[in-house]
Amino acid sequence: EAQVTQNPRYLITVTGKKLTVTCSQNMNHEYMSWYRQDPGLGLRQIYYSMNVEVTDKGDVPEGYKVSRKEKRNFPLILESPSPNQTSLYFCASSLSMASSDTQYFGPGTRLTVL
Amino acid sequence: DQQVKQNSPSLSVQEGRISILNCDYTNSMFDYFLWYKKYPAEGPTFLISISSIKDKNEDGRFTVFLNKSAKHLSLHIVPSQPGDSAVYFCAASSSNTDKLIFGTGTRLQVFP
Repeated sequence: EAQVTQNPRYLITVTGKKLTVTCSQNMNHEYMSWYRQDPGLGLRQIYYSMNVEVTDKGDVPEGYKVSRKEKRNFPLILESPSPNQTSLYFCASSLSMASSDTQYFGPGTRLTVL
Repeated sequence: DQQVKQNSPSLSVQEGRISILNCDYTNSMFDYFLWYKKYPAEGPTFLISISSIKDKNEDGRFTVFLNKSAKHLSLHIVPSQPGDSAVYFCAASSSNTDKLIFGTGTRLQVFP
């Protein structure tokens, strides 16, 4: 089954404790991205990657890191999480960056930073 | 600065009636528009899209209308069904950047 998976689905952590949210897709997609969803703000892009070893900042990259060592995986790293990073996070992938290529979203990771 | 706006946070419609979800945008460079649907505890899924060269696109019960002069698009669902109850996001992009900008979402509830 074609899908985007994220782990963990739920995470409660404390300020400053490094964490990684994994994202994996099995559709051989070149383009992957991370979004956060916050009330009243919709979905905002954090980082994106057009291909292996190619990553770039989205609209709200501060406090986040990503890597793209393999085509299928695109982990999101929070080196020192803070409470303002409490949010619902979605990973997405598509064939290319072209907006006409449908983006497939993972199920989401709800993160709470205390 | 919200470039894509969905001014109605929620909408309640009776089953069988038409649901109309609205979206406004400010960037005249946007030339491709999409609607995504999101159920609780799931990621958004693509619903329907429209290019700026068209003013209407239809897919079964779902129709998207684009009014470029008003910088407005709408999603019509007819007839509405309880399974349509979800949050709907509109999104826009320009061929210059291909970057998707999402609206804030509208929660649709279809009641029997």
